[in-house]
Amino acid sequence: GQQLNQSPQSMFIQEGEDVSMNCTSSSIFNTWLWYKQEPGEGPVLLIALYKAGELTSNGRLTAQFGITRKDSFLNISASIPSDVGIYFCAGPELSGSARQLTFGSGTQLTVLP
Amino acid sequence: GAVVSQHPSWVICKSGTSVKIECRSLDFQATTMFWYRQFPKQSLMLMATSNEGSKATYEQGVEKDKFLINHASLTLSTLTVTSAHPEDSSFYICSARPRRGDQETQYFGPGTRLLVL
Repeated sequence: GQQLNQSPQSMFIQEGEDVSMNCTSSSIFNTWLWYKQEPGEGPVLLIALYKAGELTSNGRLTAQFGITRKDSFLNISASIPSDVGIYFCAGPELSGSARQLTFGSGTQLTVLP
Repeated sequence: GAVVSQHPSWVICKSGTSVKIECRSLDFQATTMFWYRQFPKQSLMLMATSNEGSKATYEQGVEKDKFLINHASLTLSTLTVTSAHPEDSSFYICSARPRRGDQETQYFGPGTRLLVL
């Protein structure tokens, strides 16, 4: 299947700083999804991107679908302690007759007060 | 909207027992549900894809007789870990794809932590 390379693997930042993480693929995706997972919980959808070049915001979060359709980035502005968690990018791929999500390896974000 | 629940949220059992985990879409119908397994500090690993009214499709390396999946209705899928052993201890997460709307987005349940002693 396709692989998503997500970076950085982990980040330690000071409260109030901006954060940027990205995801790249060797194959084209038609949709990019960004999820956040807190400890002991399931992933929660943050932003969904459907068109190349699309820039979408959700509060302090902004994500862009790369023009080549092989990458996406997620920015968090003015980070706060509750931003702590693992952020995953994901894209759909066709496997057999079902469309499944391929997940990146995740970016572990720690926000220091 | 798009809420998915899982029950139980955690379970501890003895080796050799079977454990059933339920996944429900609370406010939407889901033609497809997915079961994932996640080890500490790792990404989600897809175990199987479950379509309502048909047999589940298992990923390579996942034993279908070990992990029984039943998708009885458009709002309920169950995963049964049969004869559980300590190596089955993990965090199991389900997701559901709404019947209507965007065909790519999955909504996840809160997960079930299984500890087999």
